[in-house]
Amino acid sequence: GNSVTQMEGPVTLSEEAFLTINCTYTATGYPSLFWYVQYPGEGLQLLLKATKADDKGSNKGFEATYRKETTSFHLEKGSVQVSDSAVYFCALSESMGNTGKLIFGQGTTLQVKP
Amino acid sequence: KAGVTQTPRYLIKTRGQQVTLSCSPISGHRSVSWYQQTPGQGLQFLFEYFSETQRNKGNFPGRFSGRQFSNSRSEMNVSTLELGDSALYLCASSSPADTQYFGPGTRLTVL
Repeated sequence: GNSVTQMEGPVTLSEEAFLTINCTYTATGYPSLFWYVQYPGEGLQLLLKATKADDKGSNKGFEATYRKETTSFHLEKGSVQVSDSAVYFCALSESMGNTGKLIFGQGTTLQVKP
Repeated sequence: KAGVTQTPRYLIKTRGQQVTLSCSPISGHRSVSWYQQTPGQGLQFLFEYFSETQRNKGNFPGRFSGRQFSNSRSEMNVSTLELGDSALYLCASSSPADTQYFGPGTRLTVL
């Protein structure tokens, strides 16, 4: 079945460091891909998305490119801030036009130190 | 535009009881999905409702059920609660072919 695998955390970085969180997926068809972020005690917030191969999603300095050839959707940010400390989830939707079911990775905790 | 709201935010129940959680989607959204989040299993899809009909279902026992009303508000019910049902229950709404937007969740503790 469809699945998402994220790199193990926690990831600890100093402020202004470069961030990469790896995400690979297994899916039939052409899923849409998402990154969500969860701050302590809160629900999930959409960070960015990409709906087809070679699309680049971006938001708040974060970027991810939908790579069909490597089945990957790695999250990057050039300079992290303490406020970026959170849990990041990679997810896929199982089919275009019907995004009612998301498959999530296990989440990666990011801690940014001043 | 108001976001997804969930009530209550926190619940404490004992084993064997049942519980009902409520979710109000973003205005205009007709799809509501439910997820269970636990430290051990992560985020798992429970079910999705669209126009009052269950459209997708995850791999959970029949103790977990849901429904959707004509105004798109949704409820999920868990009967005969078990300790393992302790979790954060998240609701998300979306318009057709669009992104899911999540509520803050209901934290259920089963004692």
